[in-house]
Amino acid sequence: SQELEQSPQSLIVQEGKNLTINCTSSKTLYGLYWYKQKYGEGLIFLMMLQKGGEEKSHEKITAKLDEKKQQSSLHITASQPSHAGIYLCGNPGGGADGLTFGKGTHLIIQP
Amino acid sequence: NAGVTQTPKFRILKIGQSMTLQCTQDMNHNYMYWYRQDPGMGLKLIYYSVGAGITDKGEVPNGYNVSRSTTEDFPLRLELAAPSQTSVYFCASSYRPESSPLHFGNGTRLTVT
Repeated sequence: SQELEQSPQSLIVQEGKNLTINCTSSKTLYGLYWYKQKYGEGLIFLMMLQKGGEEKSHEKITAKLDEKKQQSSLHITASQPSHAGIYLCGNPGGGADGLTFGKGTHLIIQP
Repeated sequence: NAGVTQTPKFRILKIGQSMTLQCTQDMNHNYMYWYRQDPGMGLKLIYYSVGAGITDKGEVPNGYNVSRSTTEDFPLRLELAAPSQTSVYFCASSYRPESSPLHFGNGTRLTVT
């Protein structure tokens, strides 16, 4: 079965600093979804990457998909307290059985 | 926009009790999913459905049952609750999972003691 490994597992960043979260797959990536989860709440969809080399941005968050490396990265520029939470990557796998998720990266923003 | 609605938000069960977690969506999605989330373990798929009347097992189906009588509703049944079922349960739906995102409910936090 496919596994997604996220790194780092947790991250403490000073407000205003940049950061990067990585998601590496054990198998070929057919696409990659990024979600954010605030503590005690549901998952909020951030971005979907469907092709190798694809890069998408929304506000201060940029995600890239490197198909050859079987990896995706999520980069946050000038972090803010609102960016705090758990970031999860998910791979659709090409079938009907939804997404396989990584274990998540806990992001804490220090003022 | 309601999206995916889960009830209840919290529940405490005693060992051996049963309950149904409710999930409904108003987006006319055919695909629906139940995940459980345990600390440090990510989300694990319990059951999924590709349309009314069709359900299939996911990665961790033991101890659970589902039904899909309508497009909107996808309840998850726990029979004979065990402490190992203490978790946060998320329901999700999608138009087409390989090319459109899953929409998640806010979760049900279940404790079995």
